[in-house]
Amino acid sequence: DADVTQTPRNRITKTGKRIMLECSQTKGHDRMYWYRQDPGLGLRLIYYSFDVKDINKGEISDGYSVSRQAQAKFSLSLESAIPNQTALYFCATSDQMNTEAFFGQGTRLTVV
Amino acid sequence: DAKTTQPTSMDCAEGRAANLPCNHSTISGNEYVYWYRQIHSQGPQYIIHGLKNNETNEMASLIITEDRKSSTLILPHATLRDTAVYYCIVRSRFYNQGGKLIFGQGTELSVKP
Repeated sequence: DADVTQTPRNRITKTGKRIMLECSQTKGHDRMYWYRQDPGLGLRLIYYSFDVKDINKGEISDGYSVSRQAQAKFSLSLESAIPNQTALYFCATSDQMNTEAFFGQGTRLTVV
Repeated sequence: DAKTTQPTSMDCAEGRAANLPCNHSTISGNEYVYWYRQIHSQGPQYIIHGLKNNETNEMASLIITEDRKSSTLILPHATLRDTAVYYCIVRSRFYNQGGKLIFGQGTELSVKP
């Protein structure tokens, strides 16, 4: 099994719909992150969490919310999806010593 | 976390060494240099990191200048599978000082036959 699992892998949704992207990890790490990537661009940080009770906004949090349900689970929600949220979304996890981060395979979201 | 500057793209012949530079002139003494790569829209993959000494692992070598203001990632014998976007990231070494990964634009490395 993958260290970091994202579901769904692909999703098409309509403008105005609420959608949740889920992430789970088996690394036992405290830190989890959500990023988005637009075509031809680098990854931009949406939200990050350093433990279950700690949630922080990243570079581009507007229009998104997150929930850290457990150490292993970190969900990203789009309360009312809009077309410019069409992107590739990545979840990642790392330990407290800031060594390597592990990324999921990504969720390709299309808002029509 | 300090900013980094990398060339937008580079080419390398298969079998030759690929040398990817990164400028991080505002790096502080508490910050590590990390390298990740992303192969065609897959999740980024960790390559190597270092503080001030040169580092080597099974994937690559990292050379950090003495003043720590720049570094070079070396892939000693590049293969076609090394074609990817390479990201140089500066990040705090301390768990209670941020430590979040902030990606720049990276360098798109094309390894050619």
